[in-house]
Amino acid sequence: KNQVEQSPQSLIILEGKNCTLQCNYTVSPFSNLRWYKQDTGRGPVSLTIMTFSENTKSNGRYTATLDADTKQSSLHITASQLSDSASYICVVSGQAGTALIFGKGTTLSVSS
Amino acid sequence: DAGVIQSPRHEVTEMGQEVTLRCKPISGHDYLFWYRQTMMRGLELLIYFNNNVPIDDSGMPEDRFSAKMPNASFSTLKIQPSEPRDSAVYFCASRQQGLGNQPQHFGDGTRLSIL
Repeated sequence: KNQVEQSPQSLIILEGKNCTLQCNYTVSPFSNLRWYKQDTGRGPVSLTIMTFSENTKSNGRYTATLDADTKQSSLHITASQLSDSASYICVVSGQAGTALIFGKGTTLSVSS
Repeated sequence: DAGVIQSPRHEVTEMGQEVTLRCKPISGHDYLFWYRQTMMRGLELLIYFNNNVPIDDSGMPEDRFSAKMPNASFSTLKIQPSEPRDSAVYFCASRQQGLGNQPQHFGDGTRLSIL
């Protein structure tokens, strides 16, 4: 069964600290993996996309990694800011024409 | 540059009433998606359209749910009759068809409460 599991479910960190969010998937065949950020009361916004051949991709303070062999991805946030408080959703796409598989998200709270 | 526009932002109604959610996708986008989000289940795809044609409605929970896309700039999701378990946030998203992996652009959702 195609699934996407994210951990932890929620996380609280102090402003300025780093953190890493995890995403494990069983989707096969695999096309790409995307991380979305969802602020409270808003729709998700794409942060980065990883294809099969990519191991690391950065978007400012956000760095995503992908290990297609172990079917794991991580999202690392450096020097966290209060505005990073949001839900982070991992979404995996299978072969063309198949539906996206969504994780349930990790809720990150950054406190001062 | 206008994003995906959804209306209303909030809807509170009594059980049994008809509910209509509206979506205006980004101009030029060929795909339109309707999602439902709850704490328990996360984001769930309900239905999606390509060039105004429904492609996959397997996520629509029951016959009480219906969706239409009469033209490239407008879509509706209707629930009739509504039930308390339909309470959730409903998102519309649109995407360009084309080379590469185009992201879906989401609206800010409609928060639906059925009493």
